[in-house]
Amino acid sequence: EAQVTQNPRYLITVTGKKLTVTCSQNMNHEYMSWYRQDPGLGLRQIYYSMNVEVTDKGDVPEGYKVSRKEKRNFPLILESPSPNQTSLYFCASSRGLTDNEQFFGPGTRLTVL
Amino acid sequence: EDQVTQSPEALRLQEGESSSLNCSYTVSGLRGLFWYRQDPGKGPEFLFTLYSAGEEKEKERLKATLTKKESFLHITAPKPEDSATYLCAVQASGYALNFGKGTSLLVTP
Repeated sequence: EAQVTQNPRYLITVTGKKLTVTCSQNMNHEYMSWYRQDPGLGLRQIYYSMNVEVTDKGDVPEGYKVSRKEKRNFPLILESPSPNQTSLYFCASSRGLTDNEQFFGPGTRLTVL
Repeated sequence: EDQVTQSPEALRLQEGESSSLNCSYTVSGLRGLFWYRQDPGKGPEFLFTLYSAGEEKEKERLKATLTKKESFLHITAPKPEDSATYLCAVQASGYALNFGKGTSLLVTP
């Protein structure tokens, strides 16, 4: 089954404790991206990747890091999480840069205390 | 700065009562405009891509249209299962994707 998986689905952590949210897709997609979704602010892009080893900032990259060492994986790293990073996070992938039939993962709900 | 504005924020319809959702945008060099549907607690689900003014796409009771400044998502004879949040997104001259805040649609029997 074609899908985007994220882990963990739910995470409660404390300020400053480094964490990684994994994202994997099994569709051989080139384009992957991370979003956060907050009430009243909608879906905002954090980072995106056009291919292996190629990443770029979205609208809200501060406090986040990403890497794309393999085509299928695109982890999101929070080196020192803060409470304002409490949010619902989605990973997505699509075949190419302009093919925006993006497939979204199920989401990761992160709470930073 | 690229902007995407969706209206209304919320819409309540009776089953069978057709209506339209609006997405207005200001971007430099539109690559594409996209519509997604999002159910509570789930990731967005792709509906349509529109690339140029005058283009239309249809899927079941949904029809998306595009002009140079806005897009409409027309819902014909909606059913309760069409209840969801509908998101519009634009991709401009770069490759980042900019989403609107969405329209929350409730269709009552």
